[in-house]
Amino acid sequence: GAVVSQHPSWVICKSGTSVKIECRSLDFQATTMFWYRQFPKQSLMLMATSNEGSKATYEQGVEKDKFLINHASLTLSTLTVTSAHPEDSSFYICSARDSGGRLETQYFGPGTRLLVL
Amino acid sequence: GESVGLHLPTLSVQEGDNSIINCAYSNSASDYFIWYKQESGKGPQFIIDIRSNMDKRQGQRVTVLLNKTVKHLSLQIAATQPGDSAVYFCAEIPVGSSNYKLTFGKGTLLTVNP
Repeated sequence: GAVVSQHPSWVICKSGTSVKIECRSLDFQATTMFWYRQFPKQSLMLMATSNEGSKATYEQGVEKDKFLINHASLTLSTLTVTSAHPEDSSFYICSARDSGGRLETQYFGPGTRLLVL
Repeated sequence: GESVGLHLPTLSVQEGDNSIINCAYSNSASDYFIWYKQESGKGPQFIIDIRSNMDKRQGQRVTVLLNKTVKHLSLQIAATQPGDSAVYFCAEIPVGSSNYKLTFGKGTLLTVNP
């Protein structure tokens, strides 16, 4: 149980295009999901908290107009990287909290590797 | 700002040895700590957690120790196996953290030599 999937697992795009990444909780409902970014040999940095039915909460320094988050259902959150540039190339990881589970527990997805040319 | 950090960025051990991975945290208000394992190209995998009202917790082949006096957390892996090779992160949730957000440490790369 408690499986989180991400799609796509990797994507290559041209500079200036937009890329959408999906995060799904497969066997539980998730009112809250989190989006992280991880650069090579570095730690996970929280970008934003995605709340079902309301606006996402962004961490300091993260541009909300560049990283659009939509959490339209209890099992799906999407992250859209708009007008992607090479510096946006990174490993994007989502996590989800089971609405009926412990508040401290996050289940992580497998990550999405983004390469912007 | 306060952060969670690690003493050692890399650790190399022989198969069968015990491994100890350390983490120093600076937020004395942290209430809950977790160790994650991340294999190359994958998402973090939960290993073990501990609350601030405990100083030791054991799992299968793993033990987490918490020393609140010096704000130090460690992960001990017994009889380390090649499959344990990965990056290990400690993470914390401070008391009162909005949405119970996790703060991750820098990570330690564990390499197990056969």
